[in-house]
Amino acid sequence: DAKTTQPTSMDCAEGRAANLPCNHSTISGNEYVYWYRQIHSQGPQYIIHGLKNNETNEMASLIITEDRKSSTLILPHATLRDTAVYYCIVRIGSNYKLTFGKGTLLTVNP
Amino acid sequence: DAGITQSPRHKVTETGTPVTLRCHQTENHRYMYWYRQDPGHGLRLIHYSYGVKDTDKGEVSDGYSVSRSKTEDFLLTLESATSSQTSVYFCASGGGNVEKLFFGSGTQLSVL
Repeated sequence: DAKTTQPTSMDCAEGRAANLPCNHSTISGNEYVYWYRQIHSQGPQYIIHGLKNNETNEMASLIITEDRKSSTLILPHATLRDTAVYYCIVRIGSNYKLTFGKGTLLTVNP
Repeated sequence: DAGITQSPRHKVTETGTPVTLRCHQTENHRYMYWYRQDPGHGLRLIHYSYGVKDTDKGEVSDGYSVSRSKTEDFLLTLESATSSQTSVYFCASGGGNVEKLFFGSGTQLSVL
């Protein structure tokens, strides 16, 4: 699976959009981009995933660049409860071995 | 959320003793995982299972063994616990294409 690079930490004001970047420049054509988050001391939670097209669900939007070498997770209206570590993961759909990096600590400030 | 539970939630044990952590899921998920989480290391995969009696090693499998005799249960065993295995352990399960993993609440293990 391709390696991902994420900033160690980011801040965001409550009510504003939070844009979390992820670099995956070695991604191959059949690798998906996944996002999970982990609120302090809890188990990680799935957010969203995509292959080529942008995706949106009730939690967030995922924007994947045309060359697929990077992506951005967007939380449209961040709340204090969105403070968490966000993990970007790249894997082949048939590979069920899911490995996490260190992620980005997003702190939403009042 | 998927029904996935870990037991025990907290355990304190002594170096050299065997320890077994249990993960139980009620979603009939095919895939199950054990991770450990330590400060500065994030989540690291220990072992995973892709079916009953089908398991494989993750990135930090030394000192750990697993068993899966039923779809719903995935056991993690530390044959002889060491202080370096003090950690928070998370279990996860997923079905189908493993698009979504559902995680348990974690087990805090302290080896003294």
